[in-house]
Amino acid sequence: DIQMTQSPSTLSASVGDRVTITCRASQSISSWLAWYQQKPGKAPKLLIYKASSLESGVPSRFSGSGSGTEFTLTISSLQPDDFATYYCQQYNSFWTFGQGTKVEIK
Amino acid sequence: QVQLVESGGGVVQPGGSLRLSCAASGFTFSSYGMHWVRQAPGKGLEWVAFIRYDGSNKYYADSVKGRFTISRDNSKNTLYLQMNSLRAEDTAVYYCAKDNPVAGGHYMDVWGKGTTVTVSS
Repeated sequence: DIQMTQSPSTLSASVGDRVTITCRASQSISSWLAWYQQKPGKAPKLLIYKASSLESGVPSRFSGSGSGTEFTLTISSLQPDDFATYYCQQYNSFWTFGQGTKVEIK
Repeated sequence: QVQLVESGGGVVQPGGSLRLSCAASGFTFSSYGMHWVRQAPGKGLEWVAFIRYDGSNKYYADSVKGRFTISRDNSKNTLYLQMNSLRAEDTAVYYCAKDNPVAGGHYMDVWGKGTTVTVSS
């Protein structure tokens, strides 16, 4: 089974900050990685697929990079609506999520 | 617009059964694979099961294999999850999600709002 590890688990930041979340796979997953945003009591929302492709309608301040085993999600300028929990997910072999990164207000 | 609406959640005793449904609209349901994903209270996301667009192949997480069955009725645009031998650790919000097969990869691009299953005596 492929394990996904995100860091950090919690991130405190201010509006306007550049934020980076890291996701590591236990083995190579090529570029088969997605990022989701989830707010309390809501369903996850797709942000990025295939490691770096922005889903339609998602603001361009979100970007993804990486391949193989190391990936990053970057928010270039954090907005009030971005405080949420973010999950990476591999889909190279079945589907596995990272444990999540909560982005909270500093 | 694409919409997924889950139903069928509730409170059930350990060892009991429950069937979840997911009504799809706004897209050609019979052309897409579908997933079930769950989230235990205060925990992260866990993939549960996947079914191909025509029902020909089904895949399950080890934690539910042999107890849960995913199925679909393309004539009714509806996805199902039959859950048997339920355990306390199955307590979660269950989401259905539409699969997007892009260039060989399968990710989840649209999610329902979820239905809550509580396993408790």
